[in-house]
Amino acid sequence: GAVVSQHPSRVICKSGTSVKIECRSLDFQATTMFWYRQFPKQSLMLMATSNEGSKATYEQGVEKDKFLINHASLTLSTLTVTSAHPEDSSFYICSARGGAGSNQPQHFGDGTRLSIL
Amino acid sequence: QQQVKQSPQSLIVQKGGISIINCAYENTAFDYFPWYQQFPGKGPALLIAIRPDVSEKKEGRFTISFNKSAKQFSLHIMDSQPGDSATYFCAAASGGYQKVTFGTGTKLQVIP
Repeated sequence: GAVVSQHPSRVICKSGTSVKIECRSLDFQATTMFWYRQFPKQSLMLMATSNEGSKATYEQGVEKDKFLINHASLTLSTLTVTSAHPEDSSFYICSARGGAGSNQPQHFGDGTRLSIL
Repeated sequence: QQQVKQSPQSLIVQKGGISIINCAYENTAFDYFPWYQQFPGKGPALLIAIRPDVSEKKEGRFTISFNKSAKQFSLHIMDSQPGDSATYFCAAASGGYQKVTFGTGTKLQVIP
C-alpha cells in the first residue's frame, strides 16, 4: 500500500526557533500534498494544499508567512513553522495523494508532535 | 460552520458488541465519504469509504450505511474487539477527493 513518511515524529524546541517538518511519499508520486493541524482531542483541520512545483493554497486563517510550505518534488513536501511560539504547539499531519484520475485517496503520515517551550 | 457533524463524542462497547458511529453532512456537493481510524500518536488510516450512489458497503466487520436523502451516514463495527479501540473520524470530500472535511471524531473504547 501507499506509504507516507513524516519526519521528525517529535520536536521540542525553544520559542523563536524555526522548525522544518518533512513529508515523503515512499512508493508513489504525490501530485498533491496536504498539511493538517490537530489539537488534542480535536479533529484534523486542513492548513494548506500543495501541488508539486506550484505555490501552496492556504486555508482561511492560516498565515502563509508563518507556515511555509514547499513541494519541490513529487515525493517531498516540507512545512516550516517560522519563529515558533507556544501557541504553535500541536500535532501536524501531512497527507499525500497521487496518481491519475480523481478518485485517488489521501494517505496520511504518522504526524509530528511539535512542542514549543 | 461544522460541515460534517459526528456523534457520539465517545463510545464504550463491550467485546463482541456492535459499535455505531453516526455522521451528518450539509453540503450536497460532497460525493465521497471515507472513514478513518486513528491510534494515539499516529496519523489517520483509511478504513472504508462509500459513494452516495450506494446505500451500504461492507468490508469485513466494518459496514457503512448511507442515507442520501437524510444526508447521513454511519459506521457499524460488528463483533467489536479491544484492538478496535481508537478514534474514528468520518469525512466528506468533493471535487475528486481533493479536499477532505473531517468530522469531530469519536473515541471508541472496547472493553473485554
